[in-house]
Amino acid sequence: DTEVTQTPKHLVMGMTNKKSLKCEQHMGHRAMYWYKQKAKKPPELMFVYSYEKLSINESVPSRFSPECPNSSLLNLHLHALQPEDSALYLCASSYGEKLFFGSGTQLSVL
Amino acid sequence: GESVGLHLPTLSVQEGDNSIINCAYSNSASDYFIWYKQESGKGPQFIIDIRSNMDKRQGQRVTVLLNKTVKHLSLQIAATQPGDSAVYFCAGPSSGTYKYIFGTGTRLKVLA
Repeated sequence: DTEVTQTPKHLVMGMTNKKSLKCEQHMGHRAMYWYKQKAKKPPELMFVYSYEKLSINESVPSRFSPECPNSSLLNLHLHALQPEDSALYLCASSYGEKLFFGSGTQLSVL
Repeated sequence: GESVGLHLPTLSVQEGDNSIINCAYSNSASDYFIWYKQESGKGPQFIIDIRSNMDKRQGQRVTVLLNKTVKHLSLQIAATQPGDSAVYFCAGPSSGTYKYIFGTGTRLKVLA
């Protein structure tokens, strides 16, 4: 089983809203990632958690706040987003060097 | 900086023909690569990987070739089917980090 589950699949939010994206994996992977993908572009790394600790933050604006409650869960809290933040948000996890992605959350900011 | 790039943005092939998607990388120390398939509205799907101690690796209908001399890898899809239509990315971890560098992607269109 190489499944990374993301919810919700679609999200529409206003610029004053607070929402959260959720990601779950039960493969025992100890590294989890958030990526952002704009249309017709490759995924761009946002955050990496290794053993539940934030190890990489790619200079992401503070309106995006990641959280790793345990080794299976990863959240991305969203607040005061801008329309240009509309994108596909992908969660991934890795075992060794093999990186597996979820199906993503398509986010629209109005 | 490190880069992983693809030669062509779009590749059109006839159903049943073989497809070849190319990728170049800049860091000669890169030792692991992954090919992903991404269908519209979905996350990238792991297809096949290869380590630098190998020149070739085969999966089901797919073969990845690695040429370390010219820092080039390719994905070959045999007997291309309509379900193979997608964007294909090559990717590899930047040495010793969790940062994966992605190529720009090639859109494969399968013509009936």
